[in-house]
Amino acid sequence: AQSVTQPDIHITVSEGASLELRCNYSYGATPYLFWYVQSPGQGLQLLLKYFSGDTLVQGIKGFEAEFKRSQSSFNLRKPSVHWSDAAEYFCAVGAPGGYNKLIFGAGTRLAVHP
Amino acid sequence: GAVVSQHPSRVICKSGTSVKIECRSLDFQATTMFWYRQFPKQSLMLMATSNEGSKATYEQGVEKDKFLINHASLTLSTLTVTSAHPEDSSFYICSARDRRASSYGYTFGSGTRLTVV
Repeated sequence: AQSVTQPDIHITVSEGASLELRCNYSYGATPYLFWYVQSPGQGLQLLLKYFSGDTLVQGIKGFEAEFKRSQSSFNLRKPSVHWSDAAEYFCAVGAPGGYNKLIFGAGTRLAVHP
Repeated sequence: GAVVSQHPSRVICKSGTSVKIECRSLDFQATTMFWYRQFPKQSLMLMATSNEGSKATYEQGVEKDKFLINHASLTLSTLTVTSAHPEDSSFYICSARDRRASSYGYTFGSGTRLTVV
């Protein structure tokens, strides 16, 4: 079955510290991969996506993610977290090509200490 | 950028009544709208996919007679929860495909917190 696992429900980091949010997926083939961020009361915003090619992708707000086929992972990273990064982060997968439904992980809530 | 306005953001209704949730694409035409629900500490689960002018396609296990979806225009899709019960309390969120966008160019609404009492 297709699924996305985000092992960490809640993470707390200090401002300025580095961040890594984990995402593992189970899929028949290599899917398209996405990271979204949701701030309270707001919609999901796309941070970055991976379709093919370079396995290290850059996104908005200083985030990057690395696709590792051997580990079925697509972890999100940021070298230095800002207080404004506190939000809920969702990893998602979709079938390659076209416009297909997304399968989401349960999300990781990030808290940032000053 | 593309914006999807979802209303209401929060609604409380009595058991047995119906509630309508609207999603409007403000500056683009949404050929496809996805409706999700999210229980606390769980994933967004796709409920249905609607294309403008045609019937919605529901995911397995979603009652189409209970969750009525209408996508009558390229800028508006509605989800009506009929005869709501406490177990329908959840967070509902829509996502629209911009017909001009590249693959997977989806824009999400800000969600609706439904509480059935």
